[in-house]
Amino acid sequence: AQRVTQPEKLLSVFKGAPVELKCNYSYSGSPELFWYVQYSRQRLQLLLRHISRESIKGFTADLNKGETSFHLKKPFAQEEDSAMYYCALSRSSGSARQLTFGSGTQLTVLP
Amino acid sequence: DAEITQSPRHKITETGRQVTLACHQTWNHNNMFWYRQDLGHGLRLIHYSYGVQDTNKGEVSDGYSVSRSNTEDLPLTLESAASSQTSVYFCASSESSGAGDTQYFGPGTRLTVL
Repeated sequence: AQRVTQPEKLLSVFKGAPVELKCNYSYSGSPELFWYVQYSRQRLQLLLRHISRESIKGFTADLNKGETSFHLKKPFAQEEDSAMYYCALSRSSGSARQLTFGSGTQLTVLP
Repeated sequence: DAEITQSPRHKITETGRQVTLACHQTWNHNNMFWYRQDLGHGLRLIHYSYGVQDTNKGEVSDGYSVSRSNTEDLPLTLESAASSQTSVYFCASSESSGAGDTQYFGPGTRLTVL
């Protein structure tokens, strides 16, 4: 069965410090991984997906199949990065794909 | 602009009552999903649909039902609300475009069952 683990429920860093949100997964197939973000009073939205290999708002995430990880990183955190972050694993289910979410990490960037 | 909306945004109800949460999307997406969001559990899938007349159970479907009579709407019904169903409910949709479909989320409905 697929599983996504985010070991940190809460994470606080100071503005300008590096930040890393951890995500580990278990899945027998070829994984497709995402990071979704929910800012205060806003809806959940896609931040980035590993197949795009892109940097969004300064965040990057590399899929490490050996360690089954997809950690989210940013070299210099900003106060506006404070939000709830969810790691998600996409898997095939019939004709479409489903997402399995981790339990989320609440990031607070302190001034 | 295409969007996905949910109503009501807040709902307070009593144990045992039937409650229906609405979800409407104008993306013309085939796939629609209902999740509940609880502290410590993240988002858990309740029900999903891959098209009109198609519905499927998710991870936490007990006590919930859905129906899909058109592309735009997937209402979620709590047959007999229980306090354990107090949660924030999110609807999402995605298109059937192959691997790695992005899901688009509604604003959420905060449901309190007293």
